[in-house]
Amino acid sequence: DVKVTQSSRYLVKRTGEKVFLECVQDMDHENMFWYRQDPGLGLRLIYFSYDVKMKEKGDIPEGYSVSREKKERFSLILESASTNQTSMYLCASSLFGAKGNTIYFGEGSWLTVV
Amino acid sequence: AQKITQTQPGMFVQEKEAVTLDCTYDTSDQSYGLFWYKQPSSGEMIFLIYQGSYDEQNATEGRYSLNFQKARKSANLVISASQLGDSAMYFCAMSHYGGSQGNLIFGKGTKLSVKP
Repeated sequence: DVKVTQSSRYLVKRTGEKVFLECVQDMDHENMFWYRQDPGLGLRLIYFSYDVKMKEKGDIPEGYSVSREKKERFSLILESASTNQTSMYLCASSLFGAKGNTIYFGEGSWLTVV
Repeated sequence: AQKITQTQPGMFVQEKEAVTLDCTYDTSDQSYGLFWYKQPSSGEMIFLIYQGSYDEQNATEGRYSLNFQKARKSANLVISASQLGDSAMYFCAMSHYGGSQGNLIFGKGTKLSVKP
């Protein structure tokens, strides 16, 4: 069974802390994505990666960075967390070039910054 | 620029009735894919149905069907025989084949509530 695992489901962090959100997939997918979801705004793409050590900015990259040192793992980093980064974060992975439903999401990480 | 519009922030439907959730899209791509996802309160995104822009037949998956009208740029989701467990947020999304699958553009969602 395919799986995208987000290690932390619920986190509470203080303003200014460095925060790591980890995502691991076991499907050997080339592509990995981080989305942010806020009420009334839907999901918005933060960063994505087509390959190890490669990254591309999405629609809202400000305040975030990412790391992909291994194919199966994609980390989202908040260098200095702020209250406006309180949100739900969803990781996804997909197979490069395939059509149809090859996109798999993790269960989400709920982050509260106080 | 690509865009997905879901004009219904919330909807109610009686159990066992059918319901249509609206989705319109805007793109200049010739090749693209359209998706519907269900998100219960637990937060996971559950894939429901997919339609490719070149698929001539409307997609169906069990109680879900996608009413694809390419000229109108609409991709409405029809849920037949609603169940209480269908209460959730529903998102319409689009991807383009030229890029990688997963780089999706989402609508703002529709919250569906099924009444017993």
